[in-house]
Amino acid sequence: QQQVKQSPQSLIVQKGGISIINCAYENTAFDYFPWYQQFPGKGPALLIAIRPDVSEKKEGRFTISFNKSAKQFSLHIMDSQPGDSATYFCAASRAAGNKLTFGGGTRVLVKP
Amino acid sequence: DGGITQSPKYLFRKEGQNVTLSCEQNLNHDAMYWYRQDPGQGLRLIYYSQIVNDFQKGDIAEGYSVSREKKESFPLTVTSAQKNPTAFYLCASSPGTSGGHEQFFGPGTRLTVL
Repeated sequence: QQQVKQSPQSLIVQKGGISIINCAYENTAFDYFPWYQQFPGKGPALLIAIRPDVSEKKEGRFTISFNKSAKQFSLHIMDSQPGDSATYFCAASRAAGNKLTFGGGTRVLVKP
Repeated sequence: DGGITQSPKYLFRKEGQNVTLSCEQNLNHDAMYWYRQDPGQGLRLIYYSQIVNDFQKGDIAEGYSVSREKKESFPLTVTSAQKNPTAFYLCASSPGTSGGHEQFFGPGTRLTVL
């Protein structure tokens, strides 16, 4: 079964701190790993994505780290801000199709 | 503006009634998807379509039906057979197998069964 396991379910971080969210997958055919950000009552929006040929990708304060051998990837939010308070979802898909498998989500609260 | 629209934003339904949720995109995307989201949970795939007049079941298709008669439209019908239909429903689209993986989401429809 294709699964993506995400942890933690929730986390609280002080403003300026680092938020770290981890995901693990089983299907070695996955080759695209996006992260989505969702605010309450809204649809998710793509934040950043990575493919397995790189081990790290950075966009502003958001960084994805990818460990192919361990089948794990993580999102780091540096210098966390109250506006980053949202639910974050990791996902994965195969090259042969666009069907995404989502993790369970992590609710992040950044305290001012 | 290009994007995905879903209507209505809020929908109330009596038990035993079928209801249809609308999803329209003007991004010229080949693929469209329907997800269900329950409070505090991730997104679960209901149905998806990679081309007009073709669609496949996702992980939780029971009690739902779809059609894809036009490229820009992918309506979802929640039937009376769906035992627990109260949820937040999200529609998404992507360029398709030839154009990349990124999925763009609509604003969602919150369905409540009274």
